[in-house]
Amino acid sequence: EIVLTQSPGTLALTPGERATLSCRASQPVSFHVAWYQQKPGQTPRLIIDEASSRAPGVPDRFSGSGSGTDFTLTISRLEPEDFAVYYCQQYGRTFGQGTKVEIK
Amino acid sequence: QVQLQESGPGLVKPSETLSLMCSVSADSVTRYGHYWGWVRQPPGKGLEWVGSMSSSGNAYYNPSFESRLTISFDIWKNQFSLKLGSVSAADTAVYFCVRQRMVSGTIDAWGPGTLVTVSS
Repeated sequence: EIVLTQSPGTLALTPGERATLSCRASQPVSFHVAWYQQKPGQTPRLIIDEASSRAPGVPDRFSGSGSGTDFTLTISRLEPEDFAVYYCQQYGRTFGQGTKVEIK
Repeated sequence: QVQLQESGPGLVKPSETLSLMCSVSADSVTRYGHYWGWVRQPPGKGLEWVGSMSSSGNAYYNPSFESRLTISFDIWKNQFSLKLGSVSAADTAVYFCVRQRMVSGTIDAWGPGTLVTVSS
């Protein structure tokens, strides 16, 4: 079973700062990694598909990169609505444990 | 735009079977190109993939549940179901039904989720 490890567990930043979230797979997963955003009490929302493709309607401050075992979600300038928990998922199966982006 | 809606009991007793149904509108569970599956989230915790079924009826289960999990279609009602046997308090969670793209597995549609509590 492929394990996804996200780091850091929590990222405390201020609006306008850059956020860099990491997702590492225990085995290569090609580029089949998606990123989701979840706010309290809400259903997760697809942010990035296939490692680097932004989902429709997602602002261009969100970007994804990586392949193989190492993947990154970058939010170039945090907006107040971006503070949430972010999950990576490989090939529609295993999720990472999540990274909480909170206001510092 | 596809819509998914979970239904089923909100309370299940330990050792019994948890049964949920997902109703799909504006798409067909048998249309090629997608998987239909379940994701759960225990209160205050992260997301966990439970299992999925392809439009052709092939099932893929999380190994953690495989021995007690069944996902199946009711094609006439355009629904799919989850049955999880021998439940315990650890199975208490919000259960989401989802649509996944076949090529990538990416979840592109979610039901609103339903909380199932396992308690006597």
